[in-house]
Amino acid sequence: NAGVTQTPKFQVLKTGQSMTLQCAQDMNHEYMSWYRQDPGMGLRLIHYSVGAGITDQGEVPNGYNVSRSTTEDFPLRLLSAAPSQTSVYFCASSSQSRGTSGYTFGSGTRLTVV
Amino acid sequence: KQEVTQIPAALSVPEGENLVLNCSFTDSAIYNLQWFRQDPGKGLTSLLLIQSSQREQTSGRLNASLDKSSGRSTLYIAASQPGDSATYLCAVFGSSNTGKLIFGQGTTLQVKP
Repeated sequence: NAGVTQTPKFQVLKTGQSMTLQCAQDMNHEYMSWYRQDPGMGLRLIHYSVGAGITDQGEVPNGYNVSRSTTEDFPLRLLSAAPSQTSVYFCASSSQSRGTSGYTFGSGTRLTVV
Repeated sequence: KQEVTQIPAALSVPEGENLVLNCSFTDSAIYNLQWFRQDPGKGLTSLLLIQSSQREQTSGRLNASLDKSSGRSTLYIAASQPGDSATYLCAVFGSSNTGKLIFGQGTTLQVKP
């Protein structure tokens, strides 16, 4: 089925470990974004990309790294996990400039850092 | 900087009632506005997308309106059902935040049988 696929769905990390959250879309969308969702804070943008090879920071980029080598994939890397990064992470994508088709979200990755 | 506000934060209504959820945004230079639904522990499901040139969109019992000049959108739910219980989020995509979708905090709806 076409859509945004996130892996893994659940992950527990120890403080200081690194990992990559995977995001892939098969809709040939230009725009891709990573959000984190925390109770009382809503959805906050971490990093986003407007096309292959182009990324930019969002509202809360510290501690995270991204790259966009292909149109389909937009992985999010946690460099050295901290308990403050415990959250639910969502990847989203949209076609065309100006998001005229709206955004499609993945099902999320629930990350716990102990 | 675009800011999106949703009022009320929570709403509880009896089954069958018609209700309105509100969303306001500070920068009217938007390309579109999207309403999402999120069930507890789940992802976001798109409900309605309104382009900047449109005034409203309808899907079943849902109707979303957009007034760019006043920076407001409403989501109208007709004949509410317990299955409508969820958190409803609005988000805007605009020229001042190209590539970014800016979200409100959401309205948590409970429909009581």
